[in-house]
Amino acid sequence: GESVGLHLPTLSVQEGDNSIINCAYSNSASDYFIWYKQESGKGPQFIIDIRSNMDKRQGQRVTVLLNKTVKHLSLQIAATQPGDSAVYFCAEILMDTGRRALTFGSGTRLQVQP
Amino acid sequence: DAGVIQSPRHEVTEMGQEVTLRCKPISGHDYLFWYRQTMMRGLELLIYFNNNVPIDDSGMPEDRFSAKMPNASFSTLKIQPSEPRDSAVYFCASSRSGAADTQYFGPGTRLTVL
Repeated sequence: GESVGLHLPTLSVQEGDNSIINCAYSNSASDYFIWYKQESGKGPQFIIDIRSNMDKRQGQRVTVLLNKTVKHLSLQIAATQPGDSAVYFCAEILMDTGRRALTFGSGTRLQVQP
Repeated sequence: DAGVIQSPRHEVTEMGQEVTLRCKPISGHDYLFWYRQTMMRGLELLIYFNNNVPIDDSGMPEDRFSAKMPNASFSTLKIQPSEPRDSAVYFCASSRSGAADTQYFGPGTRLTVL
């Protein structure tokens, strides 16, 4: 998939609105999921994680929802701010295998309009 | 904590030259990962180490790529000879051991092969 490129799906929101970024993950057996934020010129930065035995987890201004039935993750950002503008990636891992490698999704670009 | 340190931040070289990218993981982290990010393929895992031992190098594109971790605080990714298609941003990440620890990414090295 593509990441920081011209063909990324883009979500454009107004400052102060709530944002919802969606991700379809690939492996139904994955049991740990992470959302990363990547600002221009920087490495991915951890936002929030969730284990497969949960369906919701909240952080500061962010909430992650997990729907294992349809292999879907969402990241909700409350009161979106200009500093939230970035590319957001979901990542999955199957912990039981002992393999520690993350599989990243293709990313969504969030643009916050002032 | 200084975070993951990568050098150089930018590298421009000519086709056929050897390129060495360097990474210093966060102190105390047992895992080190090398990723490559391109517009076309997104974030790809190249190789990862546990306690300085390579665990999975299935993502290394070909024999021109090699990675070493001589000690817990240093790793290199070498490309010899480099080709224009190797142009990408290369990220190093590290994490603690454990069931599901967050990977912390460095700022990346932007490699351009002319």
